[in-house]
Amino acid sequence: RKEVEQDPGPFNVPEGATVAFNCTYSNSASQSFFWYRQDCRKEPKLLMSVYSSGNEDGRFTAQLNRASQYISLLIRDSKLSDSATYLCVVNLNSNSGYALNFGKGTSLLVTP
Amino acid sequence: ETGVTQSPTHLIKTRGQQVTLRCSSQSGHNTVSWYQQALGQGPQFIFQYYREEENGRGNFPPRFSGLQFPNYSSELNVNALELDDSALYLCASSRLGQGAEQYFGPGTRLTVT
Repeated sequence: RKEVEQDPGPFNVPEGATVAFNCTYSNSASQSFFWYRQDCRKEPKLLMSVYSSGNEDGRFTAQLNRASQYISLLIRDSKLSDSATYLCVVNLNSNSGYALNFGKGTSLLVTP
Repeated sequence: ETGVTQSPTHLIKTRGQQVTLRCSSQSGHNTVSWYQQALGQGPQFIFQYYREEENGRGNFPPRFSGLQFPNYSSELNVNALELDDSALYLCASSRLGQGAEQYFGPGTRLTVT
């Protein structure tokens, strides 16, 4: 079983729509959580850290449910520029240092 | 921009050869992590360096090795290249610690023929 699982999509949504991505992780000892976005053939860029109480950054809202080992990202009022792959990322401090464990990503296409 | 730089941008090598990739970390960061991203996959952790020592390693064979220098820049070396080593190699710069945010460089795209 993969440590971080995401629906690969693609999610095709019109401009202005609200879209939600979900992610589950397998290791209950995981301690830090992030969402990254990655444009085609580019490096991942940190979108936001995810805190236990949930957090919001403009149109983006992230939620964490430790009991269910579940992370979500909500994008409101989608823009064309939001089209990208969204990577769910979990950080587990282990004998692998502070390694980031990535999901395979969820592809989003926002259409006019 | 993150301030993390990598060189070269692209590289083509032949199976069996050796390659060295370079990374300069962001100012104020003391930790460098290396990841391999195959097409259609998420990045996979190779190893992490802190204070010039390996601080953790993923599930990669010993022919993947690294260095970190006193200025926190880093190298990734891969010996005896295999076709499956073709991928985007990413380095990420951070401070050390749980919850520390990692910032990626633009990557080196390696093709092994």
